[in-house]
Amino acid sequence: NAGVTQTPKFQVLKTGQSMTLQCAQDMNHEYMSWYRQDPGMGLRLIHYSVGAGITDQGEVPNGYNVSRSTTEDFPLRLLSAAPSQTSVYFCASSFARVSSGANVLTFGAGSRLTVL
Amino acid sequence: KQEVTQIPAALSVPEGENLVLNCSFTDSAIYNLQWFRQDPGKGLTSLLLIQSSQREQTSGRLNASLDKSSGRSTLYIAASQPGDSATYLCAGTGGATNKLIFGTGTLLAVQP
Repeated sequence: NAGVTQTPKFQVLKTGQSMTLQCAQDMNHEYMSWYRQDPGMGLRLIHYSVGAGITDQGEVPNGYNVSRSTTEDFPLRLLSAAPSQTSVYFCASSFARVSSGANVLTFGAGSRLTVL
Repeated sequence: KQEVTQIPAALSVPEGENLVLNCSFTDSAIYNLQWFRQDPGKGLTSLLLIQSSQREQTSGRLNASLDKSSGRSTLYIAASQPGDSATYLCAGTGGATNKLIFGTGTLLAVQP
């Protein structure tokens, strides 16, 4: 089925470890983004991309890196995991390049990360 | 900084009731607004998108409206069903950013 695919669904890390959350979409969407969802805080934008080779920071970028080498893939890297990065991470994409709100945003199923 | 408030935080209603969920923005200059549904342990599903030139959208039993003068949106659910039980989130772009800013959601339970 077409959509946004995230892997892994669950991950447990120790403090200081690094890992990559994968995100792939097959809808030829230009815009891709990563959010984290924490209780009582809503979804917060980490990083986003308006096309291959273009990335920018969102509201909470510290501790995360991204790259966009292809239209389809947008991996999120945790450089040195901290307990504060325990969260549920969502990847989302849309056709819009300029504004993430002007077109329907399609979300992946989420990746639940626990950092001990 | 744009902030989004959703009221109520939680709501429980008997099946068949009509209900209204509310969303308000600190900066009333809203360009686009989306309502999403999130089931437990799942991602978000877009329900309705109100683009900058529009005032409301309807899909089946759902109707969303946006009052740009006050920065408030409502999601109306008619004849609620147990399958409507989920968390409903609103998100909008406007003010100094073109990025979607999310509310914290309303947890809806529809009792059979």
